[in-house]
Amino acid sequence: AQSVTQPEIHNTVSEGASLELRCNYSYGATPYLFWYVQSPGQGLQLLLKYFSGDTLVQGIKGFEAEFKRSQSSFNLRKPSVHWSDAAEYFCAVDFILTGGGNKLTFGTGTQLKVEL
Amino acid sequence: EAQVTQNPRYLITVTGKKLTVTCSQNMNHEYMSWYRQDPGLGLRQIYYSMNVEVTDKGDVPEGYKVSRKEKRNFPLILESPSPNQTSLYFCASSSLLATKNTGELFFGEGSRLTVL
Repeated sequence: AQSVTQPEIHNTVSEGASLELRCNYSYGATPYLFWYVQSPGQGLQLLLKYFSGDTLVQGIKGFEAEFKRSQSSFNLRKPSVHWSDAAEYFCAVDFILTGGGNKLTFGTGTQLKVEL
Repeated sequence: EAQVTQNPRYLITVTGKKLTVTCSQNMNHEYMSWYRQDPGLGLRQIYYSMNVEVTDKGDVPEGYKVSRKEKRNFPLILESPSPNQTSLYFCASSSLLATKNTGELFFGEGSRLTVL
């Protein structure tokens, strides 16, 4: 069965510092991988996704993620964090249903706090 | 503006009193889904629908019903709510068309339900 693990429940960084949020997955086939961000009181917004090809993917708001098949990981990074990046971040693995459609399995999320 | 709209955004109810959370999308998406979000558990899928009159159970369907009579609407029904259904609920949609299926789910802003 597919699963997604985000080891850190919370992560605190100083504004301007670099950020890395970890995500590991268990899936039998080539995964589709996503990072979503949830700001307080809001729904989830797609940050970036990996389907195939270049293993380093760029997303919105200056985020990037690198797919490493050998480590079953898809870690999210940002070189310099802004106070507005404080939010909850979810990694997700896409399971393709018979007949099409997307069933995302989400990690438990990492709450990011940014210290000024 | 492309969006997924949920109502109500906040609701406090009592055990056993039937309620419906509505979800509507204006993007002509075939696929719609309901998730519940609980602390430490991430997002878990309740039900999903591939198209009109086609629905199926997700990971945590007990105590919920759905219907898909129109393409744009996908209401979530709690026939006899219980306190363990206190949660934050999200509706999401995506396109199944090959030309439009980017793998991205579009989320509503969430409905916070409290069952006393």
